[in-house]
Amino acid sequence: ETGVTQSPTHLIKTRGQQVTLRCSSQSGHNTVSWYQQALGQGPQFIFQYYREEENGRGNFPPRFSGLQFPNYSSELNVNALELDDSALYLCASSNRDRNTEAFFGQGTRLTVV
Amino acid sequence: GDSVTQMEGPVTLSEEAFLTINCTYTATGYPSLFWYVQYPGEGLQLLLKATKADDKGSNKGFEATYRKETTSFHLEKGSVQVSDSAVYFCALKEPGNTGKLIFGQGTTLQVKP
Repeated sequence: ETGVTQSPTHLIKTRGQQVTLRCSSQSGHNTVSWYQQALGQGPQFIFQYYREEENGRGNFPPRFSGLQFPNYSSELNVNALELDDSALYLCASSNRDRNTEAFFGQGTRLTVV
Repeated sequence: GDSVTQMEGPVTLSEEAFLTINCTYTATGYPSLFWYVQYPGEGLQLLLKATKADDKGSNKGFEATYRKETTSFHLEKGSVQVSDSAVYFCALKEPGNTGKLIFGQGTTLQVKP
C-alpha cells in the first residue's frame, strides 16, 4: 500500500507567478484535502475534493484552486503569488465513503520571494 | 466558529519525565478529536483519536481522554523519550461529510537526555 506523496518537496517562486503542487492519494482513498501551514502555526484547511468535485472550502481567496483526477490524485494551483503564500502545503487523503482517517503527505515547502 | 487552543510551547523535559500538553476546543456540534505529531521536515502523523465523550485514545504510550464537560483533550505520557521530540497538534473534525480538520497552533516538545 503506497502512502500519500507530494511533489515537489521544495519550491521557490517570485511574487506574481503561478504555482502547481501535486498530490498522489493513498491507495483506496477517494478524497483529498489541502492545508496551508505557515511557519509556527497549525495547518489551515484550504479545500477538499471528493470524486473530482470540490467539497468544502476554507477561508482562502479564489486564486487558490484545485483539481482532482479520475485516479484521485490532485493538484493545488495558486495564481498571483504573494509573499504571505510562503508556507508548507500539506495534502491529506482519505476515503469519505468509509469514513477513514486522513493520512498526510510530507508536504511541499513553497517560498515566495 | 469551531476552534482549538493548545498550551504554548516550547515544552522542555528531561527523559523519563511526565508529559502533559493541554488542549481545549470550542465546537457547536459533537466533533471527533485528534492528536497529530510532526517530526522535523515531515508531514503530520496521526497519534491518537477519540470520537465521543469519555473515549480514551492511546498509542505509543500517549493517552488523551475526550472530556465534554470541560471541552478538553489533554495529551499525556508517563515517561517521555528523546525520540518524542516533535511538534504536537490537537485537532477536531467537524461532524458532516467534509471531514475538515481544525488544528491548534501546535506545541513543540523537546526532550533532553
